Amino acid sequence: NAGVTQTPKFQVLKTGQSMTLQCAQDMNHEYMSWYRQDPGMGLRLIHYSVGAGITDQGEVPNGYNVSRSTTEDFPLRLLSAAPSQTSVYFCASQTRGYTEAFFGQGTRLTVV
Amino acid sequence: EDQVTQSPEALRLQEGESSSLNCSYTVSGLRGLFWYRQDPGKGPEFLFTLYSAGEEKEKERLKATLTKKESFLHITAPKPEDSATYLCAVSAGGTSYGKLTFGQGTILTVHP
Repeated sequence: NAGVTQTPKFQVLKTGQSMTLQCAQDMNHEYMSWYRQDPGMGLRLIHYSVGAGITDQGEVPNGYNVSRSTTEDFPLRLLSAAPSQTSVYFCASQTRGYTEAFFGQGTRLTVV
Repeated sequence: EDQVTQSPEALRLQEGESSSLNCSYTVSGLRGLFWYRQDPGKGPEFLFTLYSAGEEKEKERLKATLTKKESFLHITAPKPEDSATYLCAVSAGGTSYGKLTFGQGTILTVHP
C-alpha cells in the first residue's frame, strides 16, 4: 500500500499565484487533514474532513480552500499565494475516532 | 485551548547514554496522546498511542509513559540511528473527530 501520497514534493510560487496541493490515501480512512509545519511552531491544522462532502476549518485556515468529493482525495488550494504561506505542508489520514494519523511525505512550498 | 509543550527543545546524547523526553499537556478531556518520529525531509512517522494515565508502551529502545499531566519518551542505550525530531500530539474530547494538537518537538542527536 502507498499510504498517503502528496504531490508535488517541491514548489516555488510567485506572490499572487494560485495552486493546488494534491493528497491521496489508499487506506479507506474517513478522516483527512492538512497541516503546515513552520520552524518553532510545530504542526498546525489548516483544514480537515470527516468524510466525503464534509470539510471544516482548523487553526490556520485563512488563504486556503479545500473540498472532498471522494474518500481518497483531499486537495488543498492556495487562492492567492503570499510569502507567509512559505512552509512545509503535510496531509494526513485517520480512521474514525481518536486514532493516530498517518502522514504523507510533505510538500515544501516557497512563495517569492 | 489545548496546549502541548515539549522539552528540551534539543538533546545531544552519546551512544548508549539513556535519557528521557518530556511532553506536558493541558487539554479538556484527553482522548489520546501520540508520539511521532520525524526524520529530515520526511513526514511524521507514528510510534505510540497512550490513552490513560499509567499506560506504558515499548518498541525496541523506546518506552512511552503517561500521567495525568505529562508523557515521557524514555530512550534506553540510544544509537545514532535514533537521531530524529520526536513529536508529541494530543487528541481531546468535545468533537467526534480526533484533531491533533502538536508540540514543537525535541530534536535528538545521538553521537557515536
